[in-house]
Amino acid sequence: DVKVTQSSRYLVKRTGEKVFLECVQDMDHENMFWYRQDPGLGLRLIYFSYDVKMKEKGDIPEGYSVSREKKERFSLILESASTNQTSMYLCASSLIGPLGAGGTQYFGPGTRLLVL
Amino acid sequence: DQQVKQNSPSLSVQEGRISILNCDYTNSMFDYFLWYKKYPAEGPTFLISISSIKDKNEDGRFTVFLNKSAKHLSLHIVPSQPGDSAVYFCAASPSGSARQLTFGSGTQLTVLP
Repeated sequence: DVKVTQSSRYLVKRTGEKVFLECVQDMDHENMFWYRQDPGLGLRLIYFSYDVKMKEKGDIPEGYSVSREKKERFSLILESASTNQTSMYLCASSLIGPLGAGGTQYFGPGTRLLVL
Repeated sequence: DQQVKQNSPSLSVQEGRISILNCDYTNSMFDYFLWYKKYPAEGPTFLISISSIKDKNEDGRFTVFLNKSAKHLSLHIVPSQPGDSAVYFCAASPSGSARQLTFGSGTQLTVLP
């Protein structure tokens, strides 16, 4: 059973703070993703990584950075949190390979971040 | 510019009846489509998928139909159960990519007992 865990379920931060969101998966998946979910906008891809130390920008990378030092761990960093980064953050992982065999993404439970 | 659109933000259905959730896409490069279900305070869970070489895929009560010429897919749930009440997201991936998914905005399904 695939397990994706996120370090916090709820987080409250002040504007300007540096925020770290951690994600760990236990299935040896190559790909990892960070999304944010906002009402009426669905899930929007922030960054993804297909290998250790590799990262690629998604659709909305501004204001975020990521780190992948180990295969199982993918961190999202808000360098200087702002109120418009209040959102639900979701981490996901997937295997590399043909989508029919394993491109399905498995999600963590999410972190609800409030920036005051 | 949304490449994957779910035009109905909400849908209410009576228990036992059919639920039909719709999704439209604009990118001709998409050739793999997935449906996810999301309960409040949980991450999305994979439900069913379909490749563009098929026009139908069935898994128990869930069937996904793909109309490539219309760039339209739909998820049918028969019979609907109260436990199916959740937000349903449609997602699509382009040819050759095993990585990025583009998601729709979601449809809140409520199944009334």
